Amino acid sequence: KNEVEQSPQNLTAQEGEFITINCSYSVGISALHWLQQHPGGGIVSLFMLSSGKKKHGRLIATINIQEKHSSLHITASHPRDSAVYICAVVGHHGGADGLTFGKGTHLIIQP
Amino acid sequence: DSGVTQTPKHLITATGQRVTLRCSPRSGDLSVYWYQQSLDQGLQFLIQYYNGEERAKGNILERFSAQQFPDLHSELNLSSLELGDSALYFCASSPRGGGVSYEQYFGPGTRLTVT
Repeated sequence: KNEVEQSPQNLTAQEGEFITINCSYSVGISALHWLQQHPGGGIVSLFMLSSGKKKHGRLIATINIQEKHSSLHITASHPRDSAVYICAVVGHHGGADGLTFGKGTHLIIQP
Repeated sequence: DSGVTQTPKHLITATGQRVTLRCSPRSGDLSVYWYQQSLDQGLQFLIQYYNGEERAKGNILERFSAQQFPDLHSELNLSSLELGDSALYFCASSPRGGGVSYEQYFGPGTRLTVT
C-alpha cells in the first residue's frame, strides 16, 4: 500500500510570499495529482504529473520519480490561494486508478 | 464547474437506514470514482467503475455497494448506516481508457449526516 506524506501540515504566510508544499510517497506510481479543496468542500484538480514539471498561472508542480517526491509551488501568493492542498497518487494497478491521498496542507495567506 | 453532478447535496438520516447517492459524470467520461472524506480518515478511495464494469475496489465496506448504468451515471448505496458513516462523499470522473491515467474531475459532494 502506498503511503503519501505531505509537509507542512499547516502553513501561514503573507501575501506575495513564495509557497512550497511537499509530497513524498513510498511505492512507485503511474501518476501524481495535486488537488485544491476550498472551505466550502469542493475539490478542484490542479495538476496531474507523471514526470517533469507543469505550470499553470502562478502554480508550478514538479515531480522526481527516482526520489518519489513532488512539490507544489505558488508564486506571488494571494489570500484567494487559501485552501487545503492535497497530493494524491495513482499506483500501477493494471488499469485501475483510484487515488491514494495525503492528509493535505492547510494554507492560509494573510493580506 | 467541473461538469460532474451529484445529488443530493445534503442528506440527514438515522442509524440503520439505507441511502442512495447519485453521480452523473462529465459528458464523454467513461470512468466514475467514489471517494469518502471523513474527519478521522481523510479522503479514501471507495470504488471505480469504467464503462459499466467495476474496475477497482478500495476501502469500501461490505454494507456499501455501487453500480454504473448504461447511461454512465453511477449510484452509491449505503445500508445499515452507522454514525461513523457520516462524511462527505465525492464522485469523480475521467475519460480513462486503456492503461493511461487521466485527470479526475470532482463533483461537489454529498454531505451525509447519520444521527
